[in-house]
Amino acid sequence: DTAVSQTPKYLVTQMGNDKSIKCEQNLGHDTMYWYKQDSKKFLKIMFSYNNKELIINETVPNRFSPKSPDKAHLNLHINSLELGDSAVYFCASSQTSGQGREQYFGPGTRLTVT
Amino acid sequence: AQSVTQLDSHVSVSEGTPVLLRCNYSSSYSPSLFWYVQHPNKGLQLLLKYTSAATLVKGINGFEAEFKKSETSFHLTKPSAHMSDAAEYFCVVSEGYSTLTFGKGTMLLVSP
Repeated sequence: DTAVSQTPKYLVTQMGNDKSIKCEQNLGHDTMYWYKQDSKKFLKIMFSYNNKELIINETVPNRFSPKSPDKAHLNLHINSLELGDSAVYFCASSQTSGQGREQYFGPGTRLTVT
Repeated sequence: AQSVTQLDSHVSVSEGTPVLLRCNYSSSYSPSLFWYVQHPNKGLQLLLKYTSAATLVKGINGFEAEFKKSETSFHLTKPSAHMSDAAEYFCVVSEGYSTLTFGKGTMLLVSP
């Protein structure tokens, strides 16, 4: 009965490769997010999708491309991976009707680029 | 624009003593405020939230926080620390359309 799930949990790859991280939520929420957590534990939003439509796109290299096939899924594809992409990536979801809606986070995907 | 400052990067307490994690925020509007906890190698779990109702908010695991508008603070407290409370804690502010801004985190260390 996992609310927000991500796969894989760990991803080790070489520079220049292309990889994807998948996220699924079974909470019936209409908004999903991707966050990047750096080595100092700082969390920064990357993207947000509401009803499959992109609503937040922070300053992120265009090597990162989110894809939302339906409201319950938001995948993150990364092209030409670089060393600086190593981080923990968190998916989250929320229901946006009204201010103050809390976000529910997945367990994270630890990406290591060598 | 919204921002949040967690005043301590690390807080160390002994088991059974009170916990105080400090957070100040900046917001142009009436904000929503949250505290999240992250245990090692885990995702983030919501501890509690404030959304303009009661200023004293009770959360899970005995934590509570008080919203003080005059001080722009939202400090997290617990009367008695447990070893299992050792984790990273994030204060978070939100204005409007669900955008969350995270503080840099406070690592809580609990010694026996």
